[in-house]
Amino acid sequence: AQSVTQLGSHVSVSEGALVLLRCNYSSSVPPYLFWYVQYPNQGLQLLLKYTTGATLVKGINGFEAEFKKSETSFHLTKPSAHMSDAAEYFCAGDTGGFKTIFGAGTRLFVKA
Amino acid sequence: NAGVTQTPKFRVLKTGQSMTLLCAQDMNHEYMYWYRQDPGMGLRLIHYSVGEGTTAKGEVPDGYNVSRLKKQNFLLGLESAAPSQTSVYFCASSYGEGGQPQHFGDGTRLSIL
Repeated sequence: AQSVTQLGSHVSVSEGALVLLRCNYSSSVPPYLFWYVQYPNQGLQLLLKYTTGATLVKGINGFEAEFKKSETSFHLTKPSAHMSDAAEYFCAGDTGGFKTIFGAGTRLFVKA
Repeated sequence: NAGVTQTPKFRVLKTGQSMTLLCAQDMNHEYMYWYRQDPGMGLRLIHYSVGEGTTAKGEVPDGYNVSRLKKQNFLLGLESAAPSQTSVYFCASSYGEGGQPQHFGDGTRLSIL
């Protein structure tokens, strides 16, 4: 069965520091993979997605993620955190047929 | 630029009451979805629709019904609310690509007492 695991329910970084949010998937078939961001009292916004082709995917707001099949990972990174990046981030995977599976989420805190 | 609009934003119900959550999108998207979000569990798909007049069950459909009479609207009904249905409900839409939601509403916070 497909699953998506986000390592760490909370991550705290200082402003200007590297952001690294970890996501691993479990699937017999390489899935489509996504990262979403959720700001307080709002719905999810799609940050980036991997379907096929280039394994390094660039998204909005300076975020990027790399698909590593050998590690079954799709970690999200941003070189320099900004206060406005504080939010909850969700990794999701989909092997097709309306079976998008979401991770439990990682809340990112950014310290001044 | 409304996108996906959900009404109401908040609601408190008593056990056994019924209600309907409304979702409207103005992007002419074919696919629409209803999710529930619970702490520590991410989002779980309740029902979805691939077009006007069609609906299908998702991961957690029990206790909910849906209708898609018009392409732009997707309604979620609770016939007899239970405390276990206390959650935040999100509607989403997309124009295709195999069923991955792209645009979300801001959610409906529902409490069942």
